[in-house]
Amino acid sequence: DQQVKQNSPSLSVQEGRISILNCDYTNSMFDYFLWYKKYPAEGPTFLISISSIKDKNEDGRFTVFLNKSAKHLSLHIVPSQPGDSAVYFCAASDRIQGAQKLVFGQGTRLTINP
Amino acid sequence: EAGVAQSPRYKIIEKRQSVAFWCNPISGHATLYWYQQILGQGPKLLIQFQNNGVVDDSQLPKDRFSAERLKGVDSTLKIQPAKLEDSAVYLCASREGSAYNEQFFGPGTRLTVL
Repeated sequence: DQQVKQNSPSLSVQEGRISILNCDYTNSMFDYFLWYKKYPAEGPTFLISISSIKDKNEDGRFTVFLNKSAKHLSLHIVPSQPGDSAVYFCAASDRIQGAQKLVFGQGTRLTINP
Repeated sequence: EAGVAQSPRYKIIEKRQSVAFWCNPISGHATLYWYQQILGQGPKLLIQFQNNGVVDDSQLPKDRFSAERLKGVDSTLKIQPAKLEDSAVYLCASREGSAYNEQFFGPGTRLTVL
């Protein structure tokens, strides 16, 4: 049972345009959501997060939107740059006995074309 | 601040052999995680430690996988005996104790089982 889904395995965007990466989840108990970025041969690095009590969080070129009723979140990158080419993972936080546990989506490979 | 260290970076073994991975988390991080990332999928949690105690090992195949975190710092993950389907990247992550801090990942160990 895939609790966090990223339905687009890949996305190609022209440099300077907006990149929109999507993520859907099924568990309404998730209380926190994160986006991670991964380059080849490196571990995932934290990008941006949002609490379930908010619907938007912005950090520079990156904005995450949360629609709780639809159980959907999205990451917007504006403007897209070549260095943004990477695999992006959506993750949702669950709490087991008070400890944070992350459930990851399958990832979306973003390619920014010059 | 030094990041999460993992070794080795790459390992190739024959099926039925045993293998061990090592992780040194960020200094002061009480929580340590081991993830398995199979090609084309997101990281999947294997085991979570809080200091040197196990918080969640519900997805650890205990017939062949074991992990320990002595003295609440370094951790080792062992597979014995390895199967072909264990081929994956094994990621270690650590986190401070605060409620919504992100997890910091190491570069991972790529395991190939032949």
